[in-house]
Amino acid sequence: EVQLVESGGGLVKPGGSLRLSCVVSGFTFSGYSMHWVRQAPGKGLEWVSFISGSGSYIYSSESVEGRFTTSRDNAKNSLYLQMNSLRAEDTAVYYCARKRLTAGTVDYWGQGTPVTVSA
Amino acid sequence: DIQMTQSPSSLSASVGDRVTITCRASRAIPTYIAWFQQKPGSAPKSLIYGASSLQDGVPSRFSGSGSGTDFILTISSLQPEDFATYYCQQYSEYPYTFGQGTKLEVK
Repeated sequence: EVQLVESGGGLVKPGGSLRLSCVVSGFTFSGYSMHWVRQAPGKGLEWVSFISGSGSYIYSSESVEGRFTTSRDNAKNSLYLQMNSLRAEDTAVYYCARKRLTAGTVDYWGQGTPVTVSA
Repeated sequence: DIQMTQSPSSLSASVGDRVTITCRASRAIPTYIAWFQQKPGSAPKSLIYGASSLQDGVPSRFSGSGSGTDFILTISSLQPEDFATYYCQQYSEYPYTFGQGTKLEVK
């Protein structure tokens, strides 16, 4: 069974940092690219970043470029999102999601981890 | 960025109804569109990719169509568990972008 479990969310002050993790099971992690997607309270979905299976290719949205870093450790079946210089508008539930093998979009999602940026 | 515009933003319907939700892309995305379902307090669930291909395990009452800029998600006969918010997403180019969502409510 495919499982994705995020952790690391919490309350942080503006300008602070947080590192999210996503541990996966039920599939060969290194063979799959991954996405981060977020959802602000009461709002829609926003794509955050993509990382290829090897970690060689990374794309990020303009809204997080230069502040957030996406990485992975295939030996630990783990995906990461290092978030620096956090702003109030980064407050959201953050989901990791697996990219389909045969299409650019997502097939499986984690349950999400909430991040609140507030003084 | 490619803008995805869904309509309607909300929709009231009854069990057994046929429902359609549309999504328009600001420029052509061939068939690089996906649809997701989300219930309150839960993660999104993948329904359709490639405009018309069903994710494994998704009931056949869900279908998708369209190409280029105009797309449709159809639920042929609404079931109680289908009341949720639906999102389209283009994955033709980065940044991937989502529609604003369509909330499907009980009439």
